[in-house]
Amino acid sequence: AQSVTQLDSQVPVFEEAPVELRCNYSSSVSVYLFWYVQYPNQGLQLLLKYLSGSTLVKSINGFEAEFNKSQTSFHLRKPSVHISDTAEYFCAVSPGAAGNKLTFGGGTRVLVKP
Amino acid sequence: GAVVSQHPSRVICKSGTSVKIECRSLDFQATTMFWYRQFPKQSLMLMATSNEGSKATYEQGVEKDKFLINHASLTLSTLTVTSAHPEDSSFYICSATAGGARDTQYFGPGTRLTVL
Repeated sequence: AQSVTQLDSQVPVFEEAPVELRCNYSSSVSVYLFWYVQYPNQGLQLLLKYLSGSTLVKSINGFEAEFNKSQTSFHLRKPSVHISDTAEYFCAVSPGAAGNKLTFGGGTRVLVKP
Repeated sequence: GAVVSQHPSRVICKSGTSVKIECRSLDFQATTMFWYRQFPKQSLMLMATSNEGSKATYEQGVEKDKFLINHASLTLSTLTVTSAHPEDSSFYICSATAGGARDTQYFGPGTRLTVL
């Protein structure tokens, strides 16, 4: 079984400031890791994922996340946020090659202020 | 990316009635579909996993007789909330994947169910 902890339920940040959303997981097997974003009144969209290879993964809109196996973390970062980044961000894990069931963290609400 | 639709987007029903929610993969064949429930300001909780042509696998604590899932084709899965009660009011989200563990799950926009 897996579990995911997102330490911050809400993160207010000013526009053009950096942001980091923390995600820690626990699992008895190797995992795949995901970050999803949910804009208001919309479904979830995949932001980025780590399956294997380079531990640093990047999205097309400036987000990046680094898989740290020793710390069982997959923190999400963006060096400069925009108003449009206001959304709920969910970290999720799946049991790697063993299957594709996702376990989600509690979510972090990012509010970008002008 | 691939598109998953849900219908209806919102539904209001009376207590005791049944409600059917459809989940469709529009441009790919989904071998597996998942149904989640999301309470306000909370995370998604997996309810069940549905593979085309076979019975759904329900998560612990989810009543299979209350939440009927049918995955009759590679592009359609349905969730029927039977004899709905106010505590069933929630946001129901489906996702679909074309293949195995490395394949991305694509999420539908969700259905907001309100039971009066």
